[in-house]
Amino acid sequence: GQQLNQSPQSMFIQEGEDVSMNCTSSSIFNTWLWYKQDPGEGPVLLIALYKAGELTSNGRLTAQFGITRKDSFLNISASIPSDVGIYFCAGQLWRDDKIIFGKGTRLHILP
Amino acid sequence: EADIYQTPRYLVIGTGKKITLECSQTMGHDKMYWYQQDPGMELHLIHYSYGVNSTEKGDLSSESTVSRIRTEHFPLTLESARPSHTSQYLCASSIGLTGYYTFGSGTRLTVV
Repeated sequence: GQQLNQSPQSMFIQEGEDVSMNCTSSSIFNTWLWYKQDPGEGPVLLIALYKAGELTSNGRLTAQFGITRKDSFLNISASIPSDVGIYFCAGQLWRDDKIIFGKGTRLHILP
Repeated sequence: EADIYQTPRYLVIGTGKKITLECSQTMGHDKMYWYQQDPGMELHLIHYSYGVNSTEKGDLSSESTVSRIRTEHFPLTLESARPSHTSQYLCASSIGLTGYYTFGSGTRLTVV
């Protein structure tokens, strides 16, 4: 089946640092999405990208849909404690109702 | 605020018991999904539904069953719980082809 390779698996950073994570696939996706899961909760959509090359921001978060349609990245600027959680990339194939999730990037902020 | 509700939030149950995890959404979404997730780990799709009377198995084999008799309701049932079923179960719904899933807060199941 289709797979998304998400990296890094975990990140340990200091508060205030910028964060970068990415997702790649051998398949071409029509839509790329980034979700965040807080501890003990379900994932919540952060950013959705629908067009190759698209760069979208949501506050301190910026995500891009790769030109090849096979990758996407998410950047978080000036991290704060509430950024802790698991970030999942997800891709949607053309006209497929289901989305495929990456294995997640676990973000930890050191005290 | 979330418009998809899962109950119970936590459940500890003995081996061999039958359990039903409830999931309801008030958004009129036609598509609904069940994911299984061990703490801090990846999401595994175990069941999905495209509408009333439609149910399909997901990518991860599961001994659970689901039903979709009403648009807003998508319960998951385990006929005989086992310790290997201990996990978090997340319900989600969506509409159209946007990829925008709304997730519930999950049910944390422990089978002893």
